[in-house]
Amino acid sequence: EVRLVESGGGLVRPGASLRLSCAASGFIFSDYTMNWVRQAPGKGLEWVASISSRSDYIYYGDSVRGRFTISRDNAKNSLSLQMHSLRADDTGVYYCARDGGMAAYYFDLWGLGDLLTVSS
Amino acid sequence: SYEVSQPVSVSVALGQTATITCEGDNIGKKHVHWYQQKPGQAPVLLIYRDSARPSGIPARFSGSNSGSTATLTISTAQGGDEADFYCQVWTSGTVLFGGGTKLTVL
Repeated sequence: EVRLVESGGGLVRPGASLRLSCAASGFIFSDYTMNWVRQAPGKGLEWVASISSRSDYIYYGDSVRGRFTISRDNAKNSLSLQMHSLRADDTGVYYCARDGGMAAYYFDLWGLGDLLTVSS
Repeated sequence: SYEVSQPVSVSVALGQTATITCEGDNIGKKHVHWYQQKPGQAPVLLIYRDSARPSGIPARFSGSNSGSTATLTISTAQGGDEADFYCQVWTSGTVLFGGGTKLTVL
């Protein structure tokens, strides 16, 4: 079965660090650009970061650049998001999403999401 | 910086056709993608590259893109179509989502 499963979310204090992970299965992970997309409670979708299949192209959204780092381990079929200096407005559900193919920058496969809450 | 905008809400009578727009400067020169998100669920890709449908998406969902407006059309609207719909583009190393449109089927 083709799937993405996020993990690592939870409740953290402002200023803390946290690492999210995404486990991929059912497809050739190393062939695809991968992404993180988040959604604040009751709000719309916000793209967070993208990483190309061989990690040679990495992009970040303005609100996380300099604080978050996206990475991948193709040998382990795993995507990660290292987050530092977390703020209340980083609260939301974080989705791992697969690129549609050939770095087309649309998302054809999504995980169920993982909730991060940043609160004192 | 580039922006895309969608109506906050659209209503459609059961069995009728709904249109959801996504506006942006010369958006017709970009590829537009559409997602459907039902409450408590992850988004689902509905339309990619303006008008292509992934396998499993009914032909009732169609897309077009020209000038400054991309359009998602939902024919013969059903109660199960009630959801939030998002357009999305890629431009200058950035992924942009529209603010989302809540579709209500009356």
